[in-house]
Amino acid sequence: NAGVTQTPKFRVLKTGQSMTLLCAQDMNHEYMYWYRQDPGMGLRLIHYSVGEGTTAKGEVPDGYNVSRLKKQNFLLGLESAAPSQTSVYFCASSLRGPQHFGDGTRLSIL
Amino acid sequence: QQQVKQSPQSLIVQKGGISIINCAYENTAFDYFPWYQQFPGKGPALLIAIRPDVSEKKEGRFTISFNKSAKQFSLHIMDSQPGDSATYFCAATIDGGADGLTFGKGTHLIIQP
Repeated sequence: NAGVTQTPKFRVLKTGQSMTLLCAQDMNHEYMYWYRQDPGMGLRLIHYSVGEGTTAKGEVPDGYNVSRLKKQNFLLGLESAAPSQTSVYFCASSLRGPQHFGDGTRLSIL
Repeated sequence: QQQVKQSPQSLIVQKGGISIINCAYENTAFDYFPWYQQFPGKGPALLIAIRPDVSEKKEGRFTISFNKSAKQFSLHIMDSQPGDSATYFCAATIDGGADGLTFGKGTHLIIQP
């Protein structure tokens, strides 16, 4: 019973590098979300998807892109990483109502 | 503009006491109000949730009180235990959360033995 799985768990990047964070859910949920968590800021929505092939911007979308090619996967991309993107990234999924979260990816940009 | 304001930022309660965390929201279209519990190194986990058609919901030692006219809701943890030490987030959303949750900034709760 995996639920929501995020890979990688930790990553260190240099400024300007690119990377992709992967989120996979095995609950057949329609909705998927990417949040970032910063100290004292709570969680803020980056992008979300209400179904396969659809994406939408959240509160803090700048510098990120997403794709939902398969229902169970939601990818978050950083094309040119910046130190301001140092954060813990959480993926979540839901059918409707309660969102189920993964355990996060800790990303540091040097 | 912060749409969900949470207080206090941190809270220390003695074992067996009552922990109270408060949230206020601005968007009257919000219709689903969950509370999440987060332990270090883990993702947030749903604790309890309420819709504005009821004023209170209780699950075990956890109770949500909801005041629609004041646009406020609160989490009460009765008989607080050291295992309840965690960060708690209130959140709000519209129509089942399809557009994502708006979170408060969190409360770091410590239960002293």
